[in-house]
Amino acid sequence: DVKVTQSSRYLVKRTGEKVFLECVQDMDHENMFWYRQDPGLGLRLIYFSYDVKMKEKGDIPEGYSVSREKKERFSLILESASTNQTSMYLCASNRDPQDYNEQFFGPGTRLTVL
Amino acid sequence: DAKTTQPTSMDCAEGRAANLPCNHSTISGNEYVYWYRQIHSQGPQYIIHGLKNNETNEMASLIITEDRKSSTLILPHATLRDTAVYYCIVRGRDDKIIFGKGTRLHILP
Repeated sequence: DVKVTQSSRYLVKRTGEKVFLECVQDMDHENMFWYRQDPGLGLRLIYFSYDVKMKEKGDIPEGYSVSREKKERFSLILESASTNQTSMYLCASNRDPQDYNEQFFGPGTRLTVL
Repeated sequence: DAKTTQPTSMDCAEGRAANLPCNHSTISGNEYVYWYRQIHSQGPQYIIHGLKNNETNEMASLIITEDRKSSTLILPHATLRDTAVYYCIVRGRDDKIIFGKGTRLHILP
């Protein structure tokens, strides 16, 4: 079974803390993605990566950074968490967008910033 | 912005076919239609995709109109576990996947 796992299902942090969200996929996929999902706004792409050490900004990268040191792992970093970053964070991966194949999603991390 | 329009919510009786419509009137020739769903507290799950021809897999069928301006996802025998938000997405070769607001499908016992 293909799998995308995220380090935590629920996380509570304080304003100003540095937050790391980890995502691991076991499918040897080249591409990995970080989204956030908020009521009424749907899923919005934060960052994505097409290869190790490669990263591209998505639609809402402000306040976030990412790291892809290994093919299977894609980390989302909140340098200084703020309350407006309270959200559901979803990681996804796929093999090659030009193959028109589907993205596989992780279970999500619900982050609350107090 | 999402390139699709879907009803906000729909109801379907358990055991009946659920037909979820999607309008994508501005679709271009190289863009595919994808369907995902998201069950509460889980990540989105891929269902099916197609370009021009109708498609079927173990989960669902996808009917695309001849002019490709709309499509319908069919769950042939809906169960309570099919209660979810269903997203219709249009994307081309180099496009990111953009999720709209989707249709909230309620399966009624």
